Amino acid sequence: SQQGEEDPQALSIQEGENATMNCSYKTSINNLQWYRQNSGRGLVHLILIRSNEREKHSGRLRVTLDTSKKSSSLLITASRAADTASYFCATDETGANSKLTFGKGITLSVRP
Amino acid sequence: EAGVAQSPRYKIIEKRQSVAFWCNPISGHATLYWYQQILGQGPKLLIQFQNNGVVDDSQLPKDRFSAERLKGVDSTLKIQPAKLEDSAVYLCASSVVGTRTDTQYFGPGTRLTVL
Repeated sequence: SQQGEEDPQALSIQEGENATMNCSYKTSINNLQWYRQNSGRGLVHLILIRSNEREKHSGRLRVTLDTSKKSSSLLITASRAADTASYFCATDETGANSKLTFGKGITLSVRP
Repeated sequence: EAGVAQSPRYKIIEKRQSVAFWCNPISGHATLYWYQQILGQGPKLLIQFQNNGVVDDSQLPKDRFSAERLKGVDSTLKIQPAKLEDSAVYLCASSVVGTRTDTQYFGPGTRLTVL
């Protein structure tokens, strides 16, 4: 079963604009991670935020986490055509085993 | 550093046939994962190995799917017999030790089409 639900399902923006993607989940988590998948390729880890963290930055990426609302957002600033990809949030639920549960993903298109 | 290698990249078979996928993780990575990604969905974990032992195979359809990692390095995933609904991309990933914050590195995947 899929834990995370990303929103919107698809997003199209102009190069240079910011892209904001949201993820909601249902159960308690240890951490939440965002991955990128280019067409026909494997996934690439972007950023991890722990349950006791509220915000994290990495280059042009900014991730927030609100555990009271069970939601996270990924902001990509100054987008580039190369950011065109699918983005997935993945949650590591609290429990005995560490296991990532992925959402269905958001398709981001950045127009040059 | 070489990434996670998978082969074949593409496979087309008819239903009820058998198929096997191979994965070679990043050198030194103790943890290996197999995921199934159906078109339009996120990856779903099928099985997780720590060295050559199984950590989690709760979502592996064991009546038709099997996986092994005999020497704690490379791994094979087999489907026998295949069904139409097995059409998907099969992703292999590895991580150094498999802790909760350990980054998973993914291979390019094997796209399986079952006719």
